[in-house]
Amino acid sequence: QLQLQESGPGLVKPSETLSLTCTVSGGSISSSSYYWGWIRQPPGKGLEWIGSIYYSGSTYYNPSLKSRVTISVDTSKNQFSLKLSSVTAADTAVYYCARLGIVGATNAFDIWGQGTMVTVSS
Amino acid sequence: QSALTQPASVSGSPGQSITISCTGTSSDVGSYNLVSWYQQHPGKAPKLMIYEGSKRPSGVSNRFSGSKSGNTASLTISGLQAEDEADYYCCSYAGSSTSHYVFGTGTKVTVL
Repeated sequence: QLQLQESGPGLVKPSETLSLTCTVSGGSISSSSYYWGWIRQPPGKGLEWIGSIYYSGSTYYNPSLKSRVTISVDTSKNQFSLKLSSVTAADTAVYYCARLGIVGATNAFDIWGQGTMVTVSS
Repeated sequence: QSALTQPASVSGSPGQSITISCTGTSSDVGSYNLVSWYQQHPGKAPKLMIYEGSKRPSGVSNRFSGSKSGNTASLTISGLQAEDEADYYCCSYAGSSTSHYVFGTGTKVTVL
């Protein structure tokens, strides 16, 4: 059974870079039917899509975050990562990684990690 | 790209049916049959309940159904049960030239 697990620091200082990794287990990140994505949820608020990546390295990002976001993939480790630069308190949120089915699959975020809380504070 | 609009809260008694609306625009909900719905219990990760507007993943109860008319998608929960009390979010593909994916504002479902 495919599982996703986020990891990374729970506390980041303002103006620094937030870095998270999602490890995929029970299946290959190199499947042709899926992208892999990051979604965040500020405390008490709704979900926001951050961006997604294909195993080949093809990426697309939320335009509102694009200037600060980099998503990368390491197929040898079955992992993909998120970097968000110049963070402020507004970036405090639970960050989820998720599998995104594409054409021929669900066309939806069908498997999610448990989420990891990241607080931006000095 | 603005978030899709959902009612803040919807409530119903056990056994009743409720419907949650998700209103977008002709650039997202109206253009693609790619609306998905997620259930989120407090402190938990979202769970996919409906994809491609009306399809249920394996293991999701047939009490959950989805539909779309124009720029508005809907999630109906029939035979409401206590465990259905949760937050629900819609999500739509919005095209490769825009935000790609946009989520709804979220709806709190309360079972009375």
